[in-house]
Amino acid sequence: QSALTQPASVSGSPGQSITISCTGTSSDVGGYNYVSWHQQHPGKAPKLMIYGVTNRPSGVSNRFSGSKSGNTASLTISGLQAEDEADYYCNSYTSTNAWVFGGGTKLTVL
Amino acid sequence: EVQLVESGGGLVQPGGSLRLSCAASGFTFSSSWMHWVRQAPGKGLVWVSRISSDGSITFYADSVKGRFTISRDNAKNTLYLQMNSLRVEDTAVYYCTSPILGWGQGTLVTVSS
Repeated sequence: QSALTQPASVSGSPGQSITISCTGTSSDVGGYNYVSWHQQHPGKAPKLMIYGVTNRPSGVSNRFSGSKSGNTASLTISGLQAEDEADYYCNSYTSTNAWVFGGGTKLTVL
Repeated sequence: EVQLVESGGGLVQPGGSLRLSCAASGFTFSSSWMHWVRQAPGKGLVWVSRISSDGSITFYADSVKGRFTISRDNAKNTLYLQMNSLRVEDTAVYYCTSPILGWGQGTLVTVSS
């Protein structure tokens, strides 16, 4: 199972909005509404930010939102804050009953 | 509050075995599919295995199939990963996770002679 494709890095200034894409195939992202997004600060465990494409767990800021179009899912962070600087990973259920992650995107807040 | 606490990591020689545990609390463990995910040093997240809520259905990544076994004890709210025939490339932090609830803090497994 090939990893989902994410940009290696994105950046934005405080207060701006950024979007991170996650591209798969019809056998994973495009075929199921089981896409999640995870934030990971250096040396820390990942944190669930979005599940089921668009759902935010309790306690996650509403500045984080998810969407999907075809084989590409997206994570949008609005009103960027310094604390948002982290690595972000998408993951999806697949047609082979496995789960697959993206390679990760490093977000830099300028 | 959802809590997942892994344990059992450590240093093991190639070919050796290790059993990881994950103690769950704060949610209905017996109703939740659970996963193991690993992260090699400086690398990204990689899915390892998952198990159904009652433990009857399991799936594995090709890289661990036949060597790792996932299981659970719903009476003890605990998830397990039995790792046999360990290889140097299995070195990683291992996390237990529920795809809709959250992650544990991870436990480090180092395979080295």
